[in-house]
Amino acid sequence: DVQMTQSPSTLSASVGDRVTISCRASHNVNTWLAWFQQKPGKAPKLLIYKTATLQNGVPSRFSGSGSGAEYSLTISSLQPDDFATYYCQQYSGYPWTFGQGTKVEIK
Amino acid sequence: QITLKESGPTLVKPTQTLTLTCTLSGLSLSTSGVGVAWLRQPPGKAPEWLALIYWDNDKYYNPSLQSRVTVSKDTSKNQVVLIMTNMDPLDTATYFCAHRIVEQGLDYWGPGMLVTVSS
Repeated sequence: DVQMTQSPSTLSASVGDRVTISCRASHNVNTWLAWFQQKPGKAPKLLIYKTATLQNGVPSRFSGSGSGAEYSLTISSLQPDDFATYYCQQYSGYPWTFGQGTKVEIK
Repeated sequence: QITLKESGPTLVKPTQTLTLTCTLSGLSLSTSGVGVAWLRQPPGKAPEWLALIYWDNDKYYNPSLQSRVTVSKDTSKNQVVLIMTNMDPLDTATYFCAHRIVEQGLDYWGPGMLVTVSS
């Protein structure tokens, strides 16, 4: 299985901050990497797929980048609605696997 | 508008078999490229992918659960069914179904349902 490791586990930031979440895979996932946002009691919401493709309706302040085994999600200017937990997920091969999550908290 | 909804028992006893149904609307399971995945998420933990079935009936399973999990579809009802045998308290989680198109992400999710395994 491909192990996905996110950092940091928790991130404290203020509205307007630029934040970056990292995701490292144990093997090359060839850009088959997605990012999700999840709020308490809700299903995960797809933000980005194929490393950098923004899902329809997702604000342009979200962006993704990376290659090989190293990926990142950046929020250019943190908004109140962005405080949530974020997960990366690889779908390069089965089983699909998720990172452990990064919780973005209000500083 | 594409929606998915999970249904089934919210409480099962250890060793029992869990059967969950995902009902889809706004799309057809027979459309080329369509897949439906099952995932679960224990309280406070990351999601875990369980299984996936495609429009052409190709199926994929998480090896860690493969002997216990079966996925099937009923195209006429636009439903996907997950069967998980020999349930254990460690299987307590919120179970989700989610839609994808080949090579894209899991873009539509059901609201999820909490399944508790307890005697």
